[in-house]
Amino acid sequence: GIQVEQSPPDLILQEGANSTLRCNFSDSVNNLQWFHQNPWGQLINLFYIPSGTKQNGRLSATTVATERYSLLYISSSQTTDSGVYFCAVETGANNLFFGTGTRLTVIP
Amino acid sequence: ETGVTQTPRHLVMGMTNKKSLKCEQHLGHNAMYWYKQSAKKPLELMFVYNFKEQTENNSVPSRFSPECPNSSHLFLHLHTLQPEDSALYLCASSQASLRALGEQFFGPGTRLTVL
Repeated sequence: GIQVEQSPPDLILQEGANSTLRCNFSDSVNNLQWFHQNPWGQLINLFYIPSGTKQNGRLSATTVATERYSLLYISSSQTTDSGVYFCAVETGANNLFFGTGTRLTVIP
Repeated sequence: ETGVTQTPRHLVMGMTNKKSLKCEQHLGHNAMYWYKQSAKKPLELMFVYNFKEQTENNSVPSRFSPECPNSSHLFLHLHTLQPEDSALYLCASSQASLRALGEQFFGPGTRLTVL
């Protein structure tokens, strides 16, 4: 199946710093989603972004489908941004594959 | 209730027990899913119900048995589980089309421990 790799695996930031998370995938995909999993396990939708760029407040995402990667930008990070960030890709076979995640810790 | 709800939130069971997980979606979606999240492994899609038809099982062991009586409710029946089945089980829903599963919306999960 398709390989989905996220980097970095762990990231520690000072509050107020900016960061970029990356998601690489090994084959063509139909759709891509970014999620934030909070400490209680709830997966929160961030972006549904098969291509192009979207912004939502301090977060933005860019997917370059032809080069098989997506980036999630977090600006002016806050302690509430802590958690694990996942990307998930949907393939033509109507299946969905998750990456291993980036664990973000924002310290005050 | 809004979004996707799951019950119970926590479950401890022995290997000989039979239990069921329940999921309900209040989003008007036409597809529902079960996922498994184990420590140190990516989330795995277990089952897909699209328009109430099961379309994917990803070689999930038969000790997991899904049931989707309508587009709003989904169950996962568990029997004779193994300790390695301990995990967070997540339900999701989406508005699927013939060509795409669509944006996934997740419930809070059931934390399952098998003794």
